Amino acid sequence: GQQVMQIPQYQHVQEGEDFTTYCNSSTTLSNIQWYKQRPGGHPVFLIQLVKSGEVKKQKRLTFQFGEAKKNSSLHITATQTTDVGTYFCAGGGSQGNLIFGKGTKLSVKP
Amino acid sequence: DSGVTQTPKHLITATGQRVTLRCSPRSGDLSVYWYQQSLDQGLQFLIQYYNGEERAKGNILERFSAQQFPDLHSELNLSSLELGDSALYFCASSDSPMASGEQYFGPGTRLTVT
Repeated sequence: GQQVMQIPQYQHVQEGEDFTTYCNSSTTLSNIQWYKQRPGGHPVFLIQLVKSGEVKKQKRLTFQFGEAKKNSSLHITATQTTDVGTYFCAGGGSQGNLIFGKGTKLSVKP
Repeated sequence: DSGVTQTPKHLITATGQRVTLRCSPRSGDLSVYWYQQSLDQGLQFLIQYYNGEERAKGNILERFSAQQFPDLHSELNLSSLELGDSALYFCASSDSPMASGEQYFGPGTRLTVT
């Protein structure tokens, strides 16, 4: 079935460093969504990208959707301790469901 | 608070047993999704209901079933439980039948099978 691969699985950074997580699909996605799950919490929607090559920014977070709509990235500039958590991408599949990547767990050392 | 409620928060049961997890979607949302989150498996999509009808099916085992009632709340039934079914089960809701809108997740039910 359709899969969305996400790398890296873990990322440890010093506060102030940048962070990037990548998602790749073997098939074209109708859209890509990003979620953040804090430790002990539930996934919370961050953003959705729909158009080929789309770039969206939310303060220190930059989201990109690839030209072929098969990959996406989330970049955080100057990480803070509040950025700690697991970041999931989720691609729109052919059945109309969301296919989640396994997530990137971010830890930030103060 | 996402507006999605799930009960119970925790459930401990023995192998071979059957349990029911309950979810109430956000007011106005017609779609309910069920996900299983195990330690190394991320979020596995199980099943989606839209306005009472099954809309999409993921990697849901035959021992698992779900339904959505006329008041739009949903239940996930897990039977003949195995140790490997221990996981966090999330319910999410959205106002769209397609995976093209924001999904609001509930707090989850942590199931432990002993």
